[in-house]
Amino acid sequence: EVHLVESGGGLVQPGGSLRLSCADSGFMFSGSWMSWVRQAPGKGLEWVANISPDGSDIYYVDSVKGRFTISRDNAKNSLHLQMNSLRAEDTALYYCARHWNWGWDYWGQGTLVTVSS
Amino acid sequence: QSALTQPASVSGSSGQSITISCTGTSSDVSGYNYVSWYQQHPGKAPKLMIYQVTNRPSGVSTRFSGSKSGNTASLTISGLQAEDEADYYCSSYSSTTTYVFGTGTKVTVL
Repeated sequence: EVHLVESGGGLVQPGGSLRLSCADSGFMFSGSWMSWVRQAPGKGLEWVANISPDGSDIYYVDSVKGRFTISRDNAKNSLHLQMNSLRAEDTALYYCARHWNWGWDYWGQGTLVTVSS
Repeated sequence: QSALTQPASVSGSSGQSITISCTGTSSDVSGYNYVSWYQQHPGKAPKLMIYQVTNRPSGVSTRFSGSKSGNTASLTISGLQAEDEADYYCSSYSSTTTYVFGTGTKVTVL
């Protein structure tokens, strides 16, 4: 059974930074593409970033390029999202998800990021 | 980066069939067979219902089916049940934005 657990969310001022983490248990994390997907309060889903199993291929949505960095530690079965220069529009519930067959088959419960002064 | 277009809401009576559309462009929906569909109940994480246009993951009811014609993908729910009441999102690979989601559709069971 796959179990993804996100952590690291919280309240941060505009321009600040946060580092999100996602811990996995139960499946071949090291062999899987992983993603971050976010959902602003009361809004739809937005893909944020993808990372290949070995971390060599990385993709971002344009709105976070240069500000967010996705990374992984396969030895610790963990996924991370370093978020810098945060803006109000980055306020959202951030989900960690396994990327599978051009979609996402396993999702965590999300961690809430609120950017506000 | 524009989201794929879905109707804001769709409703049907218990036992009926409904179809949710997802309209994109040649850069995404019609260009690739990489459309997926997600069900999201309030306060819950999304659940994969359909991948690669027509495929159901193990454990997903056969009442859910997917299709595509041109720039529009569709999710059909047959034999509508109370538990199907949720938000539904499509997604597609895109040559311009890597991945794009739909605007979301609220399904109401009357």
